[in-house]
Amino acid sequence: NAGVMQNPRHLVRRRGQEARLRCSPMKGHSHVYWYRQLPEEGLKFMVYLQKENIIDESGMPKERFSAEFPKEGPSILRIQQVVRGDSAAYFCASSPEAGNHEQYFGPGTRLTVT
Amino acid sequence: GDSVTQMEGPVTLSEEAFLTINCTYTATGYPSLFWYVQYPGEGLQLLLKATKADDKGSNKGFEATYRKETTSFHLEKGSVQVSDSAVYFCARSNAGKSTFGDGTTLTVKP
Repeated sequence: NAGVMQNPRHLVRRRGQEARLRCSPMKGHSHVYWYRQLPEEGLKFMVYLQKENIIDESGMPKERFSAEFPKEGPSILRIQQVVRGDSAAYFCASSPEAGNHEQYFGPGTRLTVT
Repeated sequence: GDSVTQMEGPVTLSEEAFLTINCTYTATGYPSLFWYVQYPGEGLQLLLKATKADDKGSNKGFEATYRKETTSFHLEKGSVQVSDSAVYFCARSNAGKSTFGDGTTLTVKP
């Protein structure tokens, strides 16, 4: 019973490049959430998606960041023209349905911008 | 907006000591409450949860009670072990959106 999978686990990008982070939810889960964790800080909500729909993107920066969860394949968090301040751990979580359910987290992708 | 406030860390205890990590939440809506634990280099794992007032969540010796009157969900353990060293996050969830506290780092020394 595979858990939430994220890849890559570590990603290094130079300033100005694009970063693509992938998340495969647990089997049977159709709700995906992305969070960012800056060093020595807590988790900050970024976006909540269902298949082919963005439900809540109130935590997403207005520029350079986008997310999708297509009908087939993993959810993608895309960061264009990365800057040093984007360096963080990005966690994906999934849940089986909407509502006040616990979320199952992936191991995270650690993005380093040089 | 929704928020969760956790006791600031770091917390350092000796093995077998009693643990309390305080957590309070904003009372809008009817949230579910959670404690998650994060070990170094890993994602968060659910530790325990409570879905309504007066519910007590428990797991691996940890407990927390959903207190509506004080809007609190404090984490307790009667006797900590070195293996409990980790970062603990309190969270509330309402309408599919979770809000996390900033985390409390616990170090247990032998």
